[in-house]
Amino acid sequence: DAGITQSPRYKITETGRQVTLMCHQTWSHSYMFWYRQDLGHGLRLIYYSAAADITDKGEVPDGYVVSRSKTENFPLTLESATRSQTSVYFCASGREVNTEAFFGQGTRLTVV
Amino acid sequence: KQEVTQIPAALSVPEGENLVLNCSFTDSAIYNLQWFRQDPGKGLTSLLLIQSSQREQTSGRLNASLDKSSGRSTLYIAASQPGDSATYLCAGAPDTDKLIFGTGTRLQVFP
Repeated sequence: DAGITQSPRYKITETGRQVTLMCHQTWSHSYMFWYRQDLGHGLRLIYYSAAADITDKGEVPDGYVVSRSKTENFPLTLESATRSQTSVYFCASGREVNTEAFFGQGTRLTVV
Repeated sequence: KQEVTQIPAALSVPEGENLVLNCSFTDSAIYNLQWFRQDPGKGLTSLLLIQSSQREQTSGRLNASLDKSSGRSTLYIAASQPGDSATYLCAGAPDTDKLIFGTGTRLQVFP
């Protein structure tokens, strides 16, 4: 089925561990985005990518790493998880940077 | 820095009412504007997209308008139903930059 899928849906990890959140889209959209959603802050952009091998920082990139070796995949890695990174993470894709965006179901990450 | 404000933050209404949700941008130079719906524990679903050459969009009972001179958008929901209960988010892009999201309006429609 066409769409955008995130995995895992739920993750609990310990402080200091590395964790990778996966995102896969089947539309061949050029742009992909990672957001985090927190109470009181709304959705904040972490990183985005305009194409394979092209990534750029968003509003809150510190502590995160992304890669995009293939157009359809855009994994987000927390190199050394901290409790402040407990959040719901959403991946999105779109044809252009600011045209209609399509979101995945989210990953709820808890860092203990 | 562009900021987006959504008013009201929460709204509880009886079924059948017509509703207006508001979204305003500190910088009125909005290129595209999108309204989303988010159900609890779920992702965002795109409802309406107003592109740079447009002023409004309609889908069923939903109508969204954008006043570029003031940087304000309105989402109108006609004849609200309990199934409309969700959080509604607006997101705008200044010129050719990335979408910036508001913090949402939490809507509850009771029977």
